[in-house]
Amino acid sequence: EVQLVQSGAVVKKVGESLKISCKASGYNFTNYWIGWVRQMPGKGLEWMGIIYPNDSDTRYGPSFQGQVTISVDKSITTAYLQWSGLKASDAAMYYCARWKPGFGPWGQGTLVTVSS
Amino acid sequence: EIQMTQSPSTLSASVGDRVTITCRASRTIGSWLAWYQQKPGKAPKLLVHRASSLENGVPSRFSGSGSGTEFTLTISSLQPDDFATYYCQQYQSYWWTFGQGTKVEIK
Repeated sequence: EVQLVQSGAVVKKVGESLKISCKASGYNFTNYWIGWVRQMPGKGLEWMGIIYPNDSDTRYGPSFQGQVTISVDKSITTAYLQWSGLKASDAAMYYCARWKPGFGPWGQGTLVTVSS
Repeated sequence: EIQMTQSPSTLSASVGDRVTITCRASRTIGSWLAWYQQKPGKAPKLLVHRASSLENGVPSRFSGSGSGTEFTLTISSLQPDDFATYYCQQYQSYWWTFGQGTKVEIK
């Protein structure tokens, strides 16, 4: 069974760094792109970016370029999303998902809370 | 950036109704469109890719159609499990974009 399991909810302060993870299993990790999607409270889905684990080719959405870094560790079939300095506006649910085409399946989501 | 506009934003319907959600692209995207269903507190679920290809395990009452700039997701006979929010997503070119969502509510 293809599964993506994300790291747990976190509470951080403005300015802190953060790296959340997405552990993939049940398929050949290097053969499929993995993407990240943001959902702010009560809002819709926003495509953040996508990475190809085989060579780490990465594309970012315009609102996220330079704001986050997407990476992978092939040895442990895990993708990451990281911030070097969180803003209050980064508070959201973050999902990873495998690109088939179409995103499926999705991780369960990681809730990021940012306090001042 | 390609803008995706869904209509309506909210739809009230009854069990058994035929429901149609429209998604319009700001420029042509061929058939590079996916549809997702999201229930409250849950991750989205892929329903359709390439505009009309139904994912394995998705009930046949769901269907997608369209190409170019106009697309539809149709539920032929709405079931209680279908009350959710639906999103379209284009993947014709980076940057990929989602529609704003259509919430299907119980009438």
